[in-house]
Amino acid sequence: GQQLNQSPQSMFIQEGEDVSMNCTSSSIFNTWLWYKQDPGEGPVLLIALYKAGELTSNGRLTAQFGITRKDSFLNISASIPSDVGIYFCAGNAGGTSYGKLTFGQGTILTVHP
Amino acid sequence: DTAVSQTPKYLVTQMGNDKSIKCEQNLGHDTMYWYKQDSKKFLKIMFSYNNKELIINETVPNRFSPKSPDKAHLNLHINSLELGDSAVYFCASSQTNRGGNLKFSPLHFGNGTRLTVT
Repeated sequence: GQQLNQSPQSMFIQEGEDVSMNCTSSSIFNTWLWYKQDPGEGPVLLIALYKAGELTSNGRLTAQFGITRKDSFLNISASIPSDVGIYFCAGNAGGTSYGKLTFGQGTILTVHP
Repeated sequence: DTAVSQTPKYLVTQMGNDKSIKCEQNLGHDTMYWYKQDSKKFLKIMFSYNNKELIINETVPNRFSPKSPDKAHLNLHINSLELGDSAVYFCASSQTNRGGNLKFSPLHFGNGTRLTVT
């Protein structure tokens, strides 16, 4: 089946630093999504990407849909303490997959004030 | 509030018991899902229902039986609970776009039900 490899698994950074994480897939996806999960809550959508090469920003967050359609990255600039959480990439293969998302393993982000 | 809401938030039970988790969405979506998050935080789809019809069943043991009385509700009943069923179960919903160049509609997740089987 489809698999997503997300890296790094965890990051410990100082407030104000930039962060970068990425996902690679063994197969092509038509849509890439990035979610954030806070403790005790469900994943919340950060950015959705729909076209190969697409670069999209949401405040301090920027994500790109890789040209090969097998990878995506997420950058967070000027990190702040509330950026702490688990970040997940997720992909949808399109067609009749009816919204089935394949998730990466997550990146645990810790921001030291 | 518009949201995906699931109950209970915590569920502690013994092996062999039967339990249910309920989910409701008021986003007007036509598709609902159950995802399981294991102790390593890995999220994996279990089921998907579109307009009350089962669409995805990801080789989940038949002890797990989803039921969708209408498109705003998707419940999960688990029989004969086992230790390995301990996890956080997330309900989600989305609006399915069919055909053409319509964009994929991202999933909206509930806040999870933490199931602990002792």
